[in-house]
Amino acid sequence: NAGVMQNPRHLVRRRGQEARLRCSPMKGHSHVYWYRQLPEEGLKFMVYLQKENIIDESGMPKERFSAEFPKEGPSILRIQQVVRGDSAAYFCASSPPGQGAGSEKLFFGSGTQLSVL
Amino acid sequence: GDSVTQMEGPVTLSEEAFLTINCTYTATGYPSLFWYVQYPGEGLQLLLKATKADDKGSNKGFEATYRKETTSFHLEKGSVQVSDSAVYFCALSVNTGGFKTIFGAGTRLFVKA
Repeated sequence: NAGVMQNPRHLVRRRGQEARLRCSPMKGHSHVYWYRQLPEEGLKFMVYLQKENIIDESGMPKERFSAEFPKEGPSILRIQQVVRGDSAAYFCASSPPGQGAGSEKLFFGSGTQLSVL
Repeated sequence: GDSVTQMEGPVTLSEEAFLTINCTYTATGYPSLFWYVQYPGEGLQLLLKATKADDKGSNKGFEATYRKETTSFHLEKGSVQVSDSAVYFCALSVNTGGFKTIFGAGTRLFVKA
């Protein structure tokens, strides 16, 4: 059973370009979460999605950032017109369906390191 | 809002020393509590969890007890090893129509041989 897969592992963009980060959750998982980690800082929640629905996007910047989790295919975190301050590690996590005990455990991918030149 | 506060690092210990990393939380409702560990260049991995008051989570010699009265979930290990060097994150999970996990800032642990 493959784990959470994120790609690319490293992404380099110039200011003003678009960055697309992909996340394939574990098989059978229907919940996806995106977190951002800045150097020497903790994980900051960005967005929580289920298939075709955004459940909680309270951590997403209001502009330039968007996320989707289509019925088919991976979840995508999209950053338009990147700036240097967007440089960070972006982690995706998934969890299985249901709301009972045990479903809150998150399984993390290895992250995408975004560098904006 | 819901939040997690953990002790600042880095924490530097010698091998076989006793480890405590403090964690306190603020939450509406009744959260589940977690410790995750992050090794260099990797994503986070669940270390242990507790879902109700007085539960003790344990794994790989680490343990933490859910203390509702002090809203704490301190991580302890009796004898650390060099391989325990990593960043440790305390977290809580709340039901917002699905579970949303909120992390503390992380505490970096260095263990010297």
